[in-house]
Amino acid sequence: SQQGEEDPQALSIQEGENATMNCSYKTSINNLQWYRQNSGRGLVHLILIRSNEREKHSGRLRVTLDTSKKSSSLLITASRAADTASYFCATDQGGATNKLIFGTGTLLAVQP
Amino acid sequence: DGGITQSPKYLFRKEGQNVTLSCEQNLNHDAMYWYRQDPGQGLRLIYYSQIVNDFQKGDIAEGYSVSREKKESFPLTVTSAQKNPTAFYLCASSNGGSLEQYFGPGTRLTVT
Repeated sequence: SQQGEEDPQALSIQEGENATMNCSYKTSINNLQWYRQNSGRGLVHLILIRSNEREKHSGRLRVTLDTSKKSSSLLITASRAADTASYFCATDQGGATNKLIFGTGTLLAVQP
Repeated sequence: DGGITQSPKYLFRKEGQNVTLSCEQNLNHDAMYWYRQDPGQGLRLIYYSQIVNDFQKGDIAEGYSVSREKKESFPLTVTSAQKNPTAFYLCASSNGGSLEQYFGPGTRLTVT
């Protein structure tokens, strides 16, 4: 089962522009995480936001969480060609299972 | 990818053969996970283990088996019962359930 759905599925921007991608989920969560995947590689953790947090920053990344709308957004500011990758949200529903459920991903292409 | 190794990077097998994918971590993490990723898709959980000598089925466990005899190792066997085994397989570990997961570089399995 996939809890999260990213929007858009694909995004193409010019270097220097900001990139925003969204994640919607269906059930209550303990936390939400964003990961990055370069083509053919493993995933790399970017940022974790807990259910009682509304916004979090890390370098050029800004994540927001709206639990009333069951949605999150990832903003990458001043994008670079090296930011080209797929970005996934993953939700943790808490409880005994301790599993992450990954979304379908947004493919970001940053043109130099 | 640091701390988790998967081997081999590419694996080719004939239909009807079982194949075992290796996953080793030196991060001293208790929890380990196996995911499957199909082209353009998100990750789907196959099996996970929260502690040595214990593991649970994920969302798509049919046709797969695992063992967790050592904390560092969590091998995945793709059996001949798996109908569509060709995919990209990712192993991950975490230090306690809902915290961030660290991923290996993945194994691309092709079955013909």
